[in-house]
Amino acid sequence: NAGVTQTPKFQVLKTGQSMTLQCAQDMNHEYMSWYRQDPGMGLRLIHYSVGAGITDQGEVPNGYNVSRSTTEDFPLRLLSAAPSQTSVYFCATYPTGEPSGNTIYFGEGSWLTVV
Amino acid sequence: GEDVEQSLFLSVREGDSSVINCTYTDSSSTYLYWYKQEPGAGLQLLTYIFSNMDMKQDQRLTVLLNKKDKHLSLRIADTQTGDSAIYFCAESMGGGNKLTFGTGTQLKVEL
Repeated sequence: NAGVTQTPKFQVLKTGQSMTLQCAQDMNHEYMSWYRQDPGMGLRLIHYSVGAGITDQGEVPNGYNVSRSTTEDFPLRLLSAAPSQTSVYFCATYPTGEPSGNTIYFGEGSWLTVV
Repeated sequence: GEDVEQSLFLSVREGDSSVINCTYTDSSSTYLYWYKQEPGAGLQLLTYIFSNMDMKQDQRLTVLLNKKDKHLSLRIADTQTGDSAIYFCAESMGGGNKLTFGTGTQLKVEL
């Protein structure tokens, strides 16, 4: 998806390791968020940010940390990976305010396996 | 998401119509979306509908919205094998900055 870059696309971690999933956007969107996708559960919101310096928890924040030092970047940190964090992670961005119409942009996804 | 529900599986024959259903609970939703996800790929926005509309058509896709019953459906006419994917409905919450997704419906198209 143009404008939203997620890295890495694939990652295998050992239990207890830490890592950071990167999300970068060049559309000057204020709002950025991280979702995880698990079979039969859809996408669930982990953390979100409404602007630089502001972050908040979503539905499933435990085990994850975020920061928003710039408008462009919104990294998601796994502090001590657990097998329950095996999932597909998506970053989403849109302009300030309520997501509307086709103004939402998703990254390509990051497939994470914790063994 | 617990507030948006979909059936998990749907199987249709090639050439038939597919109807994927979704129910939601938040009456303040302003936009409702349908996304498609092919295996190993990201989310593709298929279509969306504003909550003051009750129908939207886009080529083979027809979205119906019943606000009274909080029911959203996606009809795919002349379903093809390339339509095999997981389909997610989602709603944007009034006054908030969040999208809530359904559990996803796996559509399998058989020859």
